[in-house]
Amino acid sequence: EPEVTQTPSHQVTQMGQEVILRCVPISNHLYFYWYRQILGQKVEFLVSFYNNEISEKSEIFDDQFSVERPDGSNFTLKIRSTKLEDSAMYFCASSVAGQAANTQYFGPGTRLTVL
Amino acid sequence: AQSVTQLDSHVSVSEGTPVLLRCNYSSSYSPSLFWYVQHPNKGLQLLLKYTSAATLVKGINGFEAEFKKSETSFHLTKPSAHMSDAAEYFCVVSDSARGGYSTLTFGKGTMLLVSP
Repeated sequence: EPEVTQTPSHQVTQMGQEVILRCVPISNHLYFYWYRQILGQKVEFLVSFYNNEISEKSEIFDDQFSVERPDGSNFTLKIRSTKLEDSAMYFCASSVAGQAANTQYFGPGTRLTVL
Repeated sequence: AQSVTQLDSHVSVSEGTPVLLRCNYSSSYSPSLFWYVQHPNKGLQLLLKYTSAATLVKGINGFEAEFKKSETSFHLTKPSAHMSDAAEYFCVVSDSARGGYSTLTFGKGTMLLVSP
């Protein structure tokens, strides 16, 4: 069964460094998402992406964040200058279409630790 | 705006006994509702979803949930717990307010503990 994959599974970085989290969505899916979960808190929506542009973003997704689909398979989340509060589990998801009834399929997550 | 409240942060059951995980939602529009499960060190796996068809929804591994609009609830149940059901369960709402683009709003999660 097709799955969303994410790399790395765990990333440790120093405050102020740039990080890129990578995702490979399910191959026939057209909508891509990033969510994060700070330890002990809810899973929160960051951004959705369709047709090579951001379709929606939350207040969390400020100028320090960017997303890109650099080729036909990868979907990346970049944090330009990491802060301690960016430490979280980051989940990538994808769906066939964007409507509410469409299931989003999630990857296993990347745990980001900012020191 | 949409929101989800999972009423219990932890639920403990014995193997073979029924499971009830409670969820209440708030949505300004006709919502779609989902239950996802997360086993340790694994991704979020879809258990079941409601999308305005039958109000009783059956999912994988014997789980089911009933959409009750009058109570704004979407509780998850299973007649008989198995050890492998021990995991964290998330109730999720998505509405169709935004011109077709959906974002998911998660509850805080309920950790299900199953004892022998």
